[in-house]
Amino acid sequence: EAGVAQSPRYKIIEKRQSVAFWCNPISGHATLYWYQQILGQGPKLLIQFQNNGVVDDSQLPKDRFSAERLKGVDSTLKIQPAKLEDSAVYLCASSLDPVRPETQYFGPGTRLLVL
Amino acid sequence: RKEVEQDPGPFNVPEGATVAFNCTYSNSASQSFFWYRQDCRKEPKLLMSVYSSGNEDGRFTAQLNRASQYISLLIRDSKLSDSATYLCVVNGNNFNKFYFGSGTKLNVKP
Repeated sequence: EAGVAQSPRYKIIEKRQSVAFWCNPISGHATLYWYQQILGQGPKLLIQFQNNGVVDDSQLPKDRFSAERLKGVDSTLKIQPAKLEDSAVYLCASSLDPVRPETQYFGPGTRLLVL
Repeated sequence: RKEVEQDPGPFNVPEGATVAFNCTYSNSASQSFFWYRQDCRKEPKLLMSVYSSGNEDGRFTAQLNRASQYISLLIRDSKLSDSATYLCVVNGNNFNKFYFGSGTKLNVKP
């Protein structure tokens, strides 16, 4: 079974530039998550989708971050403009059942470095 | 106060040792608890769920102490391959929402 796919795997940009990340969840998984993991910290949920609707985006910095999930499958996360503190790994995950994280699988992540 | 707190470590132990980590949580209404493992530069992967009655999987034992609001992970007979960061995950008031701890780093040395 194919896992969660993410691209790009690495991205280096300068502050104030824009960047976008893409995620393709496991087939059939209705729930999709974007997490931010800063070095030395645990993953922090940015946004959670159920199909193409947003369930939780309370920790998404909406002045610069945006996310969408087209047709309830693939998702993109955008940062515009980027700040130095956005340097982190951005993890996408998908799950079959949102109340059972044991069904949640993570993608390999996108490592972002903002200079 | 953070939802979930862990000792960052690192815990440096020799092969064959027994090591235990704790994780405290702030929300007394939390119902679901999990341990994840994260290898260096890799994504987190579910290690085990933590049930009220405890849970054992081979060399790994997870326990829940509701009175003191912490969960624990015990690793017996440590292997070099156990070296990783162990993340504690707890759900919040909304059963749909889960919080990750910052992780405890384990180094198992020959």
